[in-house]
Amino acid sequence: EIVLTQSPGTLSLSPGEKVTLSCRASQTITSNYLAWYQQKPGQAPRLLIYDTSTRATGIPDRFSGSGSGTDFTLTISRLEPEDFAGYFCQHYGSLSYTFGQGTKLEIK
Amino acid sequence: EVQLVQSGAEVKKSGESLKISCKGSGYRFTTYWIGWVRQMPGKGLEWMGIIYPDDSDTRYSPSFQGQVTVSADKSIATAYLQWSSLKASDTAIYYCVRVAPDGDTFDYWGQGTLVSVSS
Repeated sequence: EIVLTQSPGTLSLSPGEKVTLSCRASQTITSNYLAWYQQKPGQAPRLLIYDTSTRATGIPDRFSGSGSGTDFTLTISRLEPEDFAGYFCQHYGSLSYTFGQGTKLEIK
Repeated sequence: EVQLVQSGAEVKKSGESLKISCKGSGYRFTTYWIGWVRQMPGKGLEWMGIIYPDDSDTRYSPSFQGQVTVSADKSIATAYLQWSSLKASDTAIYYCVRVAPDGDTFDYWGQGTLVSVSS
């Protein structure tokens, strides 16, 4: 089973800043089957990015994903107040799924 | 509009059984895998299992195999997650999710069901 490790655990930033979140896999991820989810307090997660770099429907273009092999990133080009939330990466494929432990973005 | 509407919060005691539900609407329920994700208090997301409602093909995470049962009733477009004997460590929010057909990701989520188990 692939283990996903996200870093850092918590980030304190200000609106307007650029941020890059990391997700490292314990083995090579084939076919770039890596997704990112955002979860705001008291809400269900929502899909942001799938297949490493494809934005889900309705996701603003300030969100972008990249990576390959074992190293993947989610970049938010300019933080908006509503972006301060939890972010989880996910590996999927062959009807099996694992999540990273998450990164919390908080307002400085 | 695709919607997954889950049953309400539950308060139970250790050893009791429980079945929570998730009703899908706005799409063809029988032809999308539907699954369950656990989130323990203040923690991350854990995939539990999925089911294909049309033929009830079911897959479980190794961590949850034998601990829970995932089922579905396609006649009423509803999926279920059940426990035969709850433990205090089952206290969590449980989300149902629809599996996207082209990406295998979880493209729609239910609102979550809080299950609280006291010892």
